[in-house]
Formats: sequence, C-alpha cells, structure tokens
Amino acid sequence: DAKTTQPPSMDCAEGRAANLPCNHSTISGNEYVYWYRQIHSQGPQYIIHGLKNNETNEMASLIITEDRKSSTLILPHATLRDTAVYYCIVRVSGSNYQLIWGAGTKLIIKP
Amino acid sequence: DTAVSQTPKYLVTQMGNDKSIKCEQNLGHDTMYWYKQDSKKFLKIMFSYNNKELIINETVPNRFSPKSPDKAHLNLHINSLELGDSAVYFCASSQEEGLGSGANVLTFGAGSRLTVL
Repeated sequence: DAKTTQPPSMDCAEGRAANLPCNHSTISGNEYVYWYRQIHSQGPQYIIHGLKNNETNEMASLIITEDRKSSTLILPHATLRDTAVYYCIVRVSGSNYQLIWGAGTKLIIKP
Repeated sequence: DTAVSQTPKYLVTQMGNDKSIKCEQNLGHDTMYWYKQDSKKFLKIMFSYNNKELIINETVPNRFSPKSPDKAHLNLHINSLELGDSAVYFCASSQEEGLGSGANVLTFGAGSRLTVL
C-alpha cells in the first residue's frame, strides 16, 4: 500500500505562496496523488489530483517529481481562509477507490 | 443546493441507544461512503456502496449497518451505542472519472458529530 508522509504543521504569511510537501516513495505506477483539505469543523474538500504531469486549477497547482516519489501542493496567494489541514493521499492499489488518509499538514496562514 | 447532505449535524445520546444518520447526494454519483473521524482527526473508511451494492466493508462492529435504498442515499444505523462510537461521521460520494482512468474524486458532507454519554 502506498502511504504518504507530510510535515505535521507549517506557517505561511498571507499573500505569499504556500508550498506543502508530500513524500509517497512507494507509489505504484497507476496510482494518482490526491490533495484534500479540511477547514475546521467542515468536511474534507477536494483540491487537485494528478498522475504524472503537473496540474493546475483555480485552487492550486500540483507539482509531481519525475520519479513520482514526492509532490508539492502550491497555493499561489494564500489567504486566511486557506488555514486548514491539508491531506496528501494516494489510492491503495487493487482496492475499490479506497483512500488511506494520514494525519495531514496543519497549515496556518498568518496576517 | 447542497451536494452531499447529512442529518443530523449533531447527535447526543446515551449508551445503549440506537441511532441513525442519513445521507443524500444530488450529484448523480454511483458510489457513496461513510467515514469516521476520531478525536485524533484520522479519517477512516467504514463502508462504500456502488449502485446500492456494498463494495467496501472495513472492520467495523456489526452494530453499524449501512442501508442504501437507492444510489442517492446511504444511511448509517448504529445499534447499542458505546462511548467509543463518539466521533464525527462523514458521508461522501464519488464518480469515477472516465472509464478505467483510476481517478476518483470524493465530495464530502459537512459531517455529523455523534456524542455518546
């Protein structure tokens, strides 16, 4: 089973880019990397996902290394509302879309 | 319009009682899930249903019984509640992106906080 490793917490100044790292060294070739976030007292919210190529959407960018063993989620202009726990997840191969959730990174945006 | 809605949002009850949490999604998704988030904030999958059929049933006590009357609803019934059942329960739904693409994005409800006294 592919698992992920993330720093437990990070700070970022409001208006700056927040770069959240994730290691997934045992990821299989057909497993996607997903990023979700959970704002306090809310349900998890999907941010972005990718397989091999870098991805960008209206919320964030996802940079995946060429060997796919790590990735970085980038929030280009962090706001106070981006304070949340960010989860990096890979799907467990061979199961029906089961995602194994770790402890995530608590991102605190400071004014 | 709420995509995935759960009721109730808060539930406080005594040990030994039976309770249900309801979930409905209006996204037309084929798969629905129940997750449990404990006090340490880890999210663990409990059940997954695809088109009303159970496809994932993690090791949860048989006091927990999911019921899917149709693919838009997945209710969670809990018998003989115990203190350790206190947690936030999240319902989610998903639709596979493209045939065999392997990508699967979940949409979560706001959660139902269960407190067993």
